[in-house]
Amino acid sequence: GAGVSQSPSNKVTEKGKDVELRCDPISGHTALYWYRQSLGQGLEFLIYFQGNSAPDKSGLPSDRFSAERTGGSVSTLTIQRTQQEDSAVYLCASRPTGGALGEQYFGPGTRLTVT
Amino acid sequence: DQQVKQNSPSLSVQEGRISILNCDYTNSMFDYFLWYKKYPAEGPTFLISISSIKDKNEDGRFTVFLNKSAKHLSLHIVPSQPGDSAVYFCAACTSGTYKYIFGTGTRLKVLA
Repeated sequence: GAGVSQSPSNKVTEKGKDVELRCDPISGHTALYWYRQSLGQGLEFLIYFQGNSAPDKSGLPSDRFSAERTGGSVSTLTIQRTQQEDSAVYLCASRPTGGALGEQYFGPGTRLTVT
Repeated sequence: DQQVKQNSPSLSVQEGRISILNCDYTNSMFDYFLWYKKYPAEGPTFLISISSIKDKNEDGRFTVFLNKSAKHLSLHIVPSQPGDSAVYFCAACTSGTYKYIFGTGTRLKVLA
């Protein structure tokens, strides 16, 4: 079956531009996570969606970052006025309702480069 | 403040030998620990986990050991195979929550 997909796979943008990153979770998965992996760093939690509940945005590094999840499925992470320190791999993961704690399924990531 | 630490950024092991990857944590509220494996250009995939009520969990060639008093866990791979070459992340969470804290990863290279 289809796994988690992310687009684009690579994005190069100029400093100051806005970017949108997309995540298509596995169908039926109610939980969705966004993580960021900067060079030499671990996966940094950004935001968590669970069903219709208010998302946990506590990991978003600044108000330039926002995310939406429409219809409980596709999610978009938007970064406004990108900065060079935003360069990283952005990973999305989904988890089914009642899934085991380890049962996160990750997409391949979007590599963002801000020049 | 790095709550989950993997102090070895890389490790090289001969094929057939044991690989030992280490992870330390600081938050005593963590009670569930996971290892993920990541190949280049792919997302991490779940490998093995352990609950704090256990001190060992085994799955084929992979064994995770947990030392709660030392706040330390390790992943043993035996025998190591070239296909095990990847970046390994440990992660921790508190059951009942949904937030996972990941380490920085250890790049394992298994030499044929």
